[in-house]
Amino acid sequence: DARVTQTPRHKVTEMGQEVTMRCQPILGHNTVFWYRQTMMQGLELLAYFRNRAPLDDSGMPKDRFSAEMPDATLATLKIQPSEPRDSAVYFCASGLVGLEREQYFGPGTRLTVT
Amino acid sequence: GQSLEQPSEVTAVEGAIVQINCTYQTSGFYGLSWYQQHDGGAPTFLSYNALDGLEETGRFSSFLSRSDSYGYLLLQELQMKDSASYFCAVRDQAGGFKTIFGAGTRLFVKA
Repeated sequence: DARVTQTPRHKVTEMGQEVTMRCQPILGHNTVFWYRQTMMQGLELLAYFRNRAPLDDSGMPKDRFSAEMPDATLATLKIQPSEPRDSAVYFCASGLVGLEREQYFGPGTRLTVT
Repeated sequence: GQSLEQPSEVTAVEGAIVQINCTYQTSGFYGLSWYQQHDGGAPTFLSYNALDGLEETGRFSSFLSRSDSYGYLLLQELQMKDSASYFCAVRDQAGGFKTIFGAGTRLFVKA
């Protein structure tokens, strides 16, 4: 049963702390996306990678957010320092070049910054 | 700018048919996707249109008119479990994946 996994599922932290979210894409998928979902802004694309190379991170606040793919089975999203306005659900999704019609979402990380 | 417009809420009765519309304004267009998201869950892919016309997948169908920058999702034989949010999304980059999501339509199915 191939699926995208994300850890942690929930994270509560204090303002100013570093937060790292991890994602394991579906084996064989070569494109990975990070989204942020809030009630006010909906689903926003933060960054995406193809074959581990960043293609677009224009949706990401560069001063505090960073996204990487150290290898094909791991994508990370870091926030340093975190702020209360970063509270949201962060989704990772993966897909296949040639099957751009659909993306497979992970269960999300619910982040609360106090 | 780039935007996708869809109704914020729709209510329908179990067994009925409901249509959720989506109009888009994007710099490029290479396909319209639909996703379903239950409360507390992740979006899951439902349907996709790259060309004009109707695509049918079981109880769900999706339609696209590129000349009108318009599409819709049609849900037939509604069931209580169809109560969820439905998002339209446009892929606006050829050969790529950059996807812009609408704000979502909350569907309430009543008994």
